[in-house]
Amino acid sequence: AQSVTQLGSHVSVSEGALVLLRCNYSSSVPPYLFWYVQYPNQGLQLLLKYTTGATLVKGINGFEAEFKKSETSFHLTKPSAHMSDAAEYFCAVTVYNQGGKLIFGQGTELSVKP
Amino acid sequence: KAGVTQTPRYLIKTRGQQVTLSCSPISGHRSVSWYQQTPGQGLQFLFEYFSETQRNKGNFPGRFSGRQFSNSRSEMNVSTLELGDSALYLCASSAQGGTEAFFGQGTRLTVV
Repeated sequence: AQSVTQLGSHVSVSEGALVLLRCNYSSSVPPYLFWYVQYPNQGLQLLLKYTTGATLVKGINGFEAEFKKSETSFHLTKPSAHMSDAAEYFCAVTVYNQGGKLIFGQGTELSVKP
Repeated sequence: KAGVTQTPRYLIKTRGQQVTLSCSPISGHRSVSWYQQTPGQGLQFLFEYFSETQRNKGNFPGRFSGRQFSNSRSEMNVSTLELGDSALYLCASSAQGGTEAFFGQGTRLTVV
């Protein structure tokens, strides 16, 4: 079985500061990892994904994440926060042939201060 | 290409009633998954349908059921509604062999 832990239910940064949202996963088989963003009263939008290959993946809106197997982590970063980045972020895991069944972390709400 | 469409967007029902939610996947996608999102439990997987067959099921009571039609559209039904069923219900579709799930805007269900 897979599981995801997001450290910190709420993160606050200043505009222009580094954004770091933490995600650790558990999986007995090679995982597929995702970061999604959710704005109020909206669905989920995919930011980036790791399936195989390069461990540093780049996504939309300047976000990137690095898959570290030894640390079972997939932290999300962005060098410089914008006000428009304020939203809830979810890390998720699935495995091969289970693509429709995503296991989500509890989410991290990101606030950006002017 | 149209995205995943969920109807209705908002719904208010009374305890004990039943409700049906609808999801139209992206054209060509044959996998449809359903999730429940609540403040307390977060995002939880309900079930997945692929080519009209339930392929995966989460840990929800039998009051929650679903089906998929030959055109890949899916419906989710909740019978004997409880207050705790109030949630945002999200549908996602994936292409066959695809690794990415595309989500709809969700249906906000309020049970009173």
